[in-house]
Amino acid sequence: AQKVTQAQTEISVVEKEDVTLDCVYETRDTTYYLFWYKQPPSGELVFLIRRNSFDEQNEISGRYSWNFQKSTSSFNFTITASQVVDSAVYFCALSESGGGFKTIFGAGTRLFVKA
Amino acid sequence: DSGVTQTPKHLITATGQRVTLRCSPRSGDLSVYWYQQSLDQGLQFLIQYYNGEERAKGNILERFSAQQFPDLHSELNLSSLELGDSALYFCASSASGVSEQYFGPGTRLTVT
Repeated sequence: AQKVTQAQTEISVVEKEDVTLDCVYETRDTTYYLFWYKQPPSGELVFLIRRNSFDEQNEISGRYSWNFQKSTSSFNFTITASQVVDSAVYFCALSESGGGFKTIFGAGTRLFVKA
Repeated sequence: DSGVTQTPKHLITATGQRVTLRCSPRSGDLSVYWYQQSLDQGLQFLIQYYNGEERAKGNILERFSAQQFPDLHSELNLSSLELGDSALYFCASSASGVSEQYFGPGTRLTVT
């Protein structure tokens, strides 16, 4: 069955600290896609990254980096030198090739970055 | 601005009523998704359409239905509303079933 677990409900850090948001997924498909989305206090969901199951290369985009490890079914997200504007709820999501690419979201991790 | 539009932004209605939420996808996107976000249930996938056809279904109640029209806009119909249907309803669109999704601003539904 398709499942996404974000065990960290809330994380609080002080500005400039690094923070890692964990995401563990379950799937029986060999072809699947993983995503991270950000939901700032304004409420709109913003796409951050997409990864397919055949591409385990880690990715860095500015202060954001993602670590995809199929061996542990994890797709973790690290923010380096966090800023107050990073305060948001972050969702990890999974789409499988079977079942019409139904997308399952994790419960989200609320990140507070204090000045 | 994601390019996905949703109307209305807010909706207040009474139990037992029926409402229609509307979504226009980004230009060029063929796939539309509907999600329900409530405090206790998180972000729940409801249904996906691709170029007018239903492609995937989540935990969508029988009281809810959706469709995607030839011009690719989509509507989500919620009927016999209950207090528990109060939530934020998001529409998202993508170029295909495997692409990243772009979300609209949501419709906040309050059932009283």
